[in-house]
Amino acid sequence: QLQLEESGPGLVKPSETLSLTCSVSGGSVSSYTYYWGWVRQPPGKGLEWIGGMYYSGTAYYNPSLKSRLSIAVDTSKNHFSLKLTSVTAADTALYYCLAAAGVLDVFDIWGQGTMVTVSS
Amino acid sequence: NFVLTQPHSVSESPGKTVTISCTGSSGSIASKFVQWYQQRPGSAPTTVIYEDNKRPSGVPDRFSGSVDRSSNSASLTISGLKTEDEADYYCQTSDSSNLWVFGGGTKLTVL
Repeated sequence: QLQLEESGPGLVKPSETLSLTCSVSGGSVSSYTYYWGWVRQPPGKGLEWIGGMYYSGTAYYNPSLKSRLSIAVDTSKNHFSLKLTSVTAADTALYYCLAAAGVLDVFDIWGQGTMVTVSS
Repeated sequence: NFVLTQPHSVSESPGKTVTISCTGSSGSIASKFVQWYQQRPGSAPTTVIYEDNKRPSGVPDRFSGSVDRSSNSASLTISGLKTEDEADYYCQTSDSSNLWVFGGGTKLTVL
């Protein structure tokens, strides 16, 4: 069973870069069964899609975040990462990584989430 | 921008049936699969419906999904409601550029 676990600093200063990693177990990031994505949820609010990337390198980014966003897949460590630059308080949220279905008859699997607060 | 609209909240009694709607702002819901996610308080979302009407193993058959392409809408129906079904439910699909879109979420109260 595929499992995902997010890691990274829980506190980031304004204007700095938010960096998170999602470790994958029970499967390989080199698989085309999934593509590797991120979703965030500000406190008390709904889900916001951040973006995702296939192992091949094809990436899809939320247009509202695209200029600050980078997602990468690291096959040597079997994990994928998120970098969001120039953060503000509006980036404070619970960040989820997920394995999104890349082929038919497969469903999305979510990590447990990690809270990131942007504050000085 | 493509938008998915859900009711903010619904409530129903245990044992009853509830349907949560998800309406697209344009024709995209007709051409892409719809997923539904359940998020219980304090927990991560989990998939309850994928590819319009499929259930992951472990999701009770009380949960069902449907898409009406003529009305550009999708629905999640939960029958035989249990208190454990109380959660936020989100629909999701992709737009024409394969960018994900979430509905605003529906809070289901089972009272």
